[in-house]
Amino acid sequence: AQSVTQLGSHVSVSEGALVLLRCNYSSSVPPYLFWYVQYPNQGLQLLLKYTTGATLVKGINGFEAEFKKSETSFHLTKPSAHMSDAAEYFCAVSDQGGGFKTIFGAGTRLFVKA
Amino acid sequence: DAGVTQSPTHLIKTRGQQVTLRCSPKSGHDTVSWYQQALGQGPQFIFQYYEEEERQRGNFPDRFSGHQFPNYSSELNVNALLLGDSALYLCASSLDRQETQYFGPGTRLLVL
Repeated sequence: AQSVTQLGSHVSVSEGALVLLRCNYSSSVPPYLFWYVQYPNQGLQLLLKYTTGATLVKGINGFEAEFKKSETSFHLTKPSAHMSDAAEYFCAVSDQGGGFKTIFGAGTRLFVKA
Repeated sequence: DAGVTQSPTHLIKTRGQQVTLRCSPKSGHDTVSWYQQALGQGPQFIFQYYEEEERQRGNFPDRFSGHQFPNYSSELNVNALLLGDSALYLCASSLDRQETQYFGPGTRLLVL
């Protein structure tokens, strides 16, 4: 069975500071990994995904994530936080692509202080 | 190009009632998945439809059922509503066996 653990339900950073949101996964087969962002009262928007190949994945809005198989991690980073980054972030895993069953973490709410 | 649309946006029902939620996938997409997102939690997979059949199902009771129409739109039906069914219901569409899902804005269901 697959699972996702997001460390920290809330993360607070100052504007311009590094953003680091942690995600660990469990999967018995090579995983596909995703980060989504959700703004209040909206659906989910895909930030980035890892399927195969390069382990450092770049996404939209300056975010990137690195797949580390040995650590079963897929942490999300952004060098400099912006006020508009304040939102809920979800890490997710699937085994045969997002078109099949996708398991989401509980989410991490990012707060950005001026 | 319209993205994934869902209707209604909000809904209030009482315990024991039945509800139907609707989803129109992104143009060209043939696969629809439904998720339940309770307040403060991540989305939970309910089921997925492809070629008008349920292809995979999550850990939800039979009170949750669905349908996919020939135009790929989909409905989610929930019978005998419980207070615990109150949640944001998200629809996502994709192309068969493609990894990227596109999510709709959701339907917020409140059961009183």
